[in-house]
This record gives sequence, C-alpha cells and structure tokens, in this order.
Amino acid sequence: QGQLVESGGGVVQPGTSLRLSCAASGFGISAFGMHWVRQPPGKGLEWVAVVWYDGRTKYYADSARGRFTISRDNSRNTIFLEMSSLRADDTATYFCARATNGDSSGFFVSWGQGTLVSVSS
Amino acid sequence: SYVLTQPPSESVAPGKTATITCGGNNLGGRSVHWYQQRPGQAPVLLISFDSDRASDIPERISGSNSGKTATLTISRAEAGDEADYYCQVWDSSRNHVVFGGGTKLTVL
Repeated sequence: QGQLVESGGGVVQPGTSLRLSCAASGFGISAFGMHWVRQPPGKGLEWVAVVWYDGRTKYYADSARGRFTISRDNSRNTIFLEMSSLRADDTATYFCARATNGDSSGFFVSWGQGTLVSVSS
Repeated sequence: SYVLTQPPSESVAPGKTATITCGGNNLGGRSVHWYQQRPGQAPVLLISFDSDRASDIPERISGSNSGKTATLTISRAEAGDEADYYCQVWDSSRNHVVFGGGTKLTVL
C-alpha cells in the first residue's frame, strides 16, 4: 500500500496561513484520488478535501471551502493543502489518505501518520 | 448533506460479541466502509463495501448493511479491540466523503 508522510504542521496564530505536504513512497499517486482528513483533539474524523487523479477536479468540505486549497504534484508524488484565514476550530491532526479510485469515491487504503496544526493566539 | 449516526460508546465483555451501528437515510443503498483507530494512530481499514474484510483482518470481524443501518460485528472480543470505530460512505450528490461520528469500544 506504500507510505504517506505528512509535514508542515505547527502552531500558528488565527488569521494566518499554513501549507501542509504529504509525500508518498512505494506507489505512484497519479491514478488515485488523494484526500485530506482532519481530527480535532479528542474528536472524530472529518473529511476536508479531495483532488482527483487529474489534478483539476477538487471538492471541499463546507468548513474548508474558500479558505483551503488542495493540490497535487504527481511528478513529486506529493499532495498539498494550503490553508488560509485559519481559525481556532481548524486545530486538528491532519491526515492525508489515498483512496481506491481516481475520483472522490471509494475508501481509504493508506493513511499518513498525521501532522498537528494548532491555531492559537 | 448526508449524515451518518453512530453511538458514542459501546462496551463488551471479553469473549462476547460487540455490535457497532451506523445509521443513515437509505444507507442500505450505499457502500459502507469501516475503520479502526487506536489512540495516537492513523485509522486502519477493516471492512469495505459493507462486508469485505481488508487484508489481515480476522474473520471474527464482519459487517452488514441493510435498510437504514450498517453494522460492524466483533465476535470473541479481545482487549486489543478497544479502539474507536468509524463508518464512512461516499456522498455522490456532492462528491464528498462522509464519516460517522465514531464509536469508542470498551472491552471490560
């Protein structure tokens, strides 16, 4: 199933921006939909966004739309999540995950270990 | 938007059977996937397409889906089954992924 490694998390102030990365190894991401899923401390999983295999088609959770941008670089086998106007309720561990299909459908066969984003003044 | 409802917690005695439910409108018409998440770890796929066990998942873990409810069944529960369990579907109307709120299973 390969490996996914997230990076870029940290402590940031409200209203600022942050860019997360997720590097894949052991498989090529080009054929798969790639997702971001987050988990606030002590809470459940929340889907954030998906970028389809084509790199052009993207969908976002209502909480992320307009503030977050998902992208992919198949040549680098990496996906990204640009987050702006960050709020306290964006505080969470952010996981990247590989889906079984090239679009939004299917299920998740690989997950990264997560990167923690903490938004606090 | 589509909503999946899970009980926040369930408990089971060692060696007994645990059932974790996931409810949603016409859920039986969708494919449900289940994940296990232990503290501090990433989720792990248990069941796909309602009842297909993932690789290395023991036969004592099974799934079903009918009507408005999908069920994850863990037979002969062990201490190692203590974890959070999440159901997941794809909302085709919005091209979104939906997770249930999660169920914390305690083996006591």
